[in-house]
Amino acid sequence: GDSVTQMEGPVTLSEEAFLTINCTYTATGYPSLFWYVQYPGEGLQLLLKATKADDKGSNKGFEATYRKETTSFHLEKGSVQVSDSAVYFCALSGYGGATNKLIFGTGTLLAVQP
Amino acid sequence: GAGVSQTPSNKVTEKGKYVELRCDPISGHTALYWYRQSLGQGPEFLIYFQGTGAADDSGLPNDRFFAVRPEGSVSTLKIQRTERGDSAVYLCASSLGTSGGQGTQYFGPGTRLTVL
Repeated sequence: GDSVTQMEGPVTLSEEAFLTINCTYTATGYPSLFWYVQYPGEGLQLLLKATKADDKGSNKGFEATYRKETTSFHLEKGSVQVSDSAVYFCALSGYGGATNKLIFGTGTLLAVQP
Repeated sequence: GAGVSQTPSNKVTEKGKYVELRCDPISGHTALYWYRQSLGQGPEFLIYFQGTGAADDSGLPNDRFFAVRPEGSVSTLKIQRTERGDSAVYLCASSLGTSGGQGTQYFGPGTRLTVL
């Protein structure tokens, strides 16, 4: 069945460092891909999404490109801040274009130190 | 406007008891989803409603779990004969529709269920 694999954490970085969190997926058809973020004490929030191959999602300085050839959707940010410390979840929807159920990875904890 | 709300925020119960968890979606959202998140894991899909009907209940783990959405708005997740393994955070999400930009799911803060 469909699944998402993301790099295990925790990832610990100094402020202004470059961030990459790897995410690969297995799916039939053409899923939509998402990154969700969970800040301490808060609920899940959509960070960015891409709905078709070669699309780039971006928000708050974060970017991810939908790579069908490598079945990947890696999250990147050029310069992280302490306020980016959170758990990041990669997810896919099992039905291209129709976002009903989401399938999540296990999450990656990011800790940014000043 | 108000986001997705869930009550209670915390629920502690004893093994074998019955519990109900409530979700109030964003007003006007036709789709509603329940997920379960165990410690250190990503959320796992349980059930999805489109309007009043369950369009996909493939994630419900067994027949002790049941969910309703009688008027197409508020939903209740019901768990009978709770077991310690049911302890988790239960998340609710809603979306305006199910395709394109309308399919973005907005999550509530969750209900933390602890079964002693």
